[in-house]
Amino acid sequence: DAGITQSPRHKVTETGTPVTLRCHQTENHRYMYWYRQDPGHGLRLIHYSYGVKDTDKGEVSDGYSVSRSKTEDFLLTLESATSSQTSVYFCAIKFSGGAYEQYFGPGTRLTVT
Amino acid sequence: GENVEQHPSTLSVQEGDSAVIKCTYSDSASNYFPWYKQELGKRPQLIIDIRSNVGEKKDQRIAVTLNKTAKHFSLHITETQPEDSAVYFCAASKELGNQFYFGTGTSLTVIP
Repeated sequence: DAGITQSPRHKVTETGTPVTLRCHQTENHRYMYWYRQDPGHGLRLIHYSYGVKDTDKGEVSDGYSVSRSKTEDFLLTLESATSSQTSVYFCAIKFSGGAYEQYFGPGTRLTVT
Repeated sequence: GENVEQHPSTLSVQEGDSAVIKCTYSDSASNYFPWYKQELGKRPQLIIDIRSNVGEKKDQRIAVTLNKTAKHFSLHITETQPEDSAVYFCAASKELGNQFYFGTGTSLTVIP
């Protein structure tokens, strides 16, 4: 599982509330990613990080922010959750240094009511 | 940016038959193409990948082929088994790039 954990694994929240999802890795990978998965859309990139304090936007970044203050943690924040952000969120890491495989965390199911 | 299209969206095969899933990509600079299998309620798991300097790669019952000229790549599963039933995703990336672009997935059902 490439040492990736996500917390919480399930969350139900109300529209307008802030939500933070955590991705934690134990193998010192430089690259970390946040995706959302929705039926019919596959996996869509929200934000990614290529080092501590180094982040960039993906294709569906509106309404989301991220932070990476330590190599092992990558946080995804929904500043004011909306029902359209109900989804399954996956964190991933990418190997570097000659291997480019990407491995996923177990996922967080978020429901915004 | 890159655009990856995947077909078919659903596929049913009899146990023991072969299954083929096809993906096309738009960016000729893409040179790394992984395939993921996702069982219900689980994370996507890497099952095989191919780099653009290789035309075909096999791992037991699964194989991936790449046609750089046509910009398409395919996943082949032979002698399918019920445990092959899952959603399969293709993706494209540049080895020196940061982003992966995913297809929309193929739901494979293997009928015993």
